[in-house]
Amino acid sequence: GQNIDQPTEMTATEGAIVQINCTYQTSGFNGLFWYQQHAGEAPTFLSYNVLDGLEEKGRFSSFLSRSKGYSYLLLKELQMKDSASYLCAVRGKIKAAGNKLTFGGGTRVLVKP
Amino acid sequence: ETGVTQTPRHLVMGMTNKKSLKCEQHLGHNAMYWYKQSAKKPLELMFVYSLEERVENNSVPSRFSPECPNSSHLFLHLHTLQPEDSALYLCASSHPKAGSTQYFGPGTRLTVL
Repeated sequence: GQNIDQPTEMTATEGAIVQINCTYQTSGFNGLFWYQQHAGEAPTFLSYNVLDGLEEKGRFSSFLSRSKGYSYLLLKELQMKDSASYLCAVRGKIKAAGNKLTFGGGTRVLVKP
Repeated sequence: ETGVTQTPRHLVMGMTNKKSLKCEQHLGHNAMYWYKQSAKKPLELMFVYSLEERVENNSVPSRFSPECPNSSHLFLHLHTLQPEDSALYLCASSHPKAGSTQYFGPGTRLTVL
């Protein structure tokens, strides 16, 4: 089975940096996704890691260590609009078809002025 | 990118009603998904369709019945639901290959009285 853990809530100040950790235990691993979800809206794709290391996309970076079952999402130069939930999702064993993701509970980030 | 649409956006139904949720994607994908998002719980995968064939059914009660008539449309037929089925139902689509990003619709907020 799959187990994915991330903190429930984090608070940070506008302009600061926040790091959201995600740990996972899975029966197989074929990639890790981060999504952003504003209240009442659809989750939107932020990043995908399948190999160890850091992927950078503007103010957002995501890191993966497969040996440690660990990832983090780093948000730099925080803006008020970054207040949202951030979802960590793992793709497990590849099945015959489809692209099955297991999601963590999400981390709600509150950015204060 | 929100090439996935869902209707209705809000639905209130009694336990004896029959209703259907609709999802449509305009991204040229051929895998589609239904997820349930309840308060304080992770996104739960319900069904996966790949090339219009159901490839995953995550022990979902039979009062939920999916239908995928073609690669652009996905339905979730609901009947004799329970109050605990009240949740946000999200549709997503992707290419079926490993690592493909899933794109989500805005969801249907369902309340069962």
